[in-house]
Amino acid sequence: DAGVIQSPRHEVTEMGQEVTLRCKPISGHNSLFWYRQTMMRGLELLIYFNNNVPIDDSGMPEDRFSAKMPNASFSTLKIQPSEPRDSAVYFCASSPMGDTQYFGPGTRLTVL
Amino acid sequence: KQEVTQIPAALSVPEGENLVLNCSFTDSAIYNLQWFRQDPGKGLTSLLLIQSSQREQTSGRLNASLDKSSGRSTLYIAASQPGDSATYLCAVVTNSGYALNFGKGTSLLVTP
Repeated sequence: DAGVIQSPRHEVTEMGQEVTLRCKPISGHNSLFWYRQTMMRGLELLIYFNNNVPIDDSGMPEDRFSAKMPNASFSTLKIQPSEPRDSAVYFCASSPMGDTQYFGPGTRLTVL
Repeated sequence: KQEVTQIPAALSVPEGENLVLNCSFTDSAIYNLQWFRQDPGKGLTSLLLIQSSQREQTSGRLNASLDKSSGRSTLYIAASQPGDSATYLCAVVTNSGYALNFGKGTSLLVTP
């Protein structure tokens, strides 16, 4: 298996632009997580999907952030409009229920 | 809210030394605890997962222990090598949740 796949790996955009991050989980995993990593706050959960259904989005910073999982093999995290404080590394992770979480390589987002 | 603390924040040791990384958590009602490794600019690699009913897990030169009652875990690395240089992250899943609650990590440097 190729592991969790994320794209793009790096994204540089200007404030106010829309940003879409993509994730392909490991086949057969029914849980998908989006995390954000910053120097100040470390790694924090943004949203959790189980069987493609959003279960907990309490970590989503504000309405500018949205996430979807249209099927078991694809998820997106969208920021619209983006702001400089959104600059961070965004990780997608997947797991079989209640087991080890496997992380993707991350997307490094820079908002100018 | 589960708080996870890792001590020390940074550690430098000469090659060949055995070392211990510490992790503490405030809520002892955990589902499991996971240790990760993160190389600069990379994603997270799962090293060991300890279920709440377990006391320790071993993989090669790594041994992780769990003491739920005291809210502590340790990661023991035997015969350290320069290739072990990375940031080591501890994360717990509480019984009431599913998301990983991360510590800020210990940055390890093993010098030749």
